Amino acid sequence: KNQVEQSPQSLIILEGKNCTLQCNYTVSPFSNLRWYKQDTGRGPVSLTIMTFSENTKSNGRYTATLDADTKQSSLHITASQLSDSASYICVVIASGGSYIPTFGRGTSLIVHP
Amino acid sequence: DTAVSQTPKYLVTQMGNDKSIKCEQNLGHDTMYWYKQDSKKFLKIMFSYNNKELIINETVPNRFSPKSPDKAHLNLHINSLELGDSAVYFCASSQKQGGNTEAFFGQGTRLTVV
Repeated sequence: KNQVEQSPQSLIILEGKNCTLQCNYTVSPFSNLRWYKQDTGRGPVSLTIMTFSENTKSNGRYTATLDADTKQSSLHITASQLSDSASYICVVIASGGSYIPTFGRGTSLIVHP
Repeated sequence: DTAVSQTPKYLVTQMGNDKSIKCEQNLGHDTMYWYKQDSKKFLKIMFSYNNKELIINETVPNRFSPKSPDKAHLNLHINSLELGDSAVYFCASSQKQGGNTEAFFGQGTRLTVV
């Protein structure tokens, strides 16, 4: 069964600090892995999309890594800002036909001043 | 200019009623989706349409019927609403199906069945 597990479930950090969110998956066959940011009351917004051959991808202060061998990904946030407070969702897309996504439950990040 | 817009944003209705949620995208994308986000914030795909053709139908009760009059619109009609249908429903679109194409989400419709 395809699954995506994220940790931690929630995280509280001080403004300016760095943090790393984890994603482990069992989705197969693998097409790509995405990280989304979802603000409260809003739809998810894409941060990064990574394919099998990509190890690292950055989007501003967000850097995602992918280890396709161990089926793990991380999202590193540098110099956190109050606006980073949101839920971060890891999504893995299976290949072969319909490209069905499997979502993690998200990590809820709160950045305090 | 909203890229993916859904209406209504909030919908409160009684059990047994029939309701529709509308979605429109002005991005010129070929593929549109409906997702359901439950009370635990868990997102799951319901349907995917590519150029008005149904591609994905993920074990959704047949009380849910998507309608795509053209590739810019994908509406969701729900018959005989049940308490368990209460959730936030997100519409999304992408340039094409699958691959590495980015999906753009609407702001969501919070459906509450009482």
